[in-house]
Amino acid sequence: DSGVTQTPKHLITATGQRVTLRCSPRSGDLSVYWYQQSLDQGLQFLIQYYNGEERAKGNILERFSAQQFPDLHSELNLSSLELGDSALYFCASSARVVQGSSGANVLTFGAGSRLTVL
Amino acid sequence: SQQGEEDPQALSIQEGENATMNCSYKTSINNLQWYRQNSGRGLVHLILIRSNEREKHSGRLRVTLDTSKKSSSLLITASRAADTASYFCATGLIDMRFGAGTRLTVKP
Repeated sequence: DSGVTQTPKHLITATGQRVTLRCSPRSGDLSVYWYQQSLDQGLQFLIQYYNGEERAKGNILERFSAQQFPDLHSELNLSSLELGDSALYFCASSARVVQGSSGANVLTFGAGSRLTVL
Repeated sequence: SQQGEEDPQALSIQEGENATMNCSYKTSINNLQWYRQNSGRGLVHLILIRSNEREKHSGRLRVTLDTSKKSSSLLITASRAADTASYFCATGLIDMRFGAGTRLTVKP
């Protein structure tokens, strides 16, 4: 158990629907990252939050949105789902966001949420 | 888009042999990390090497970094069947980007 909790583990839904994936970061971690992993696209960075604020945005579609709440858990909302959105969605957390030249952010990943869109 | 690219895409070896995986990246970095992923599970951090380091060891892992060539390698010595997994390099601070990964199979 990494300490990062993701729910649900599996989700099957239909095209056009909307789903919410939830992530609780490891205790003490303030930063949350979301990634999408599919066979053809690999591991894609979606978005990152630190202490409730969005800090970086990657290849996140406009149909997707996320937020981090005051208790530091995060949710990733996926709407108007398409077949191509089927993937593993990972949440990761880190203690802080290091921006200096000598810093590093080591990520702790959750077990993932497997989304299947039919 | 992905920052790093691992090579080879897949590697199959016998238990006890060494496994070497390579990673190339595109932009300047402050550090580079390697992660491991067992099939369908979350990634696990293995080792971090900073841009001012050339080599780093952790147990059976040896990582090298050549910033002039924008490349890194991960060596796993005396491999075990339990090392079977995908291995990814990652760069970046806030928007950490991962390569496509090398799928390592260690046959008992």
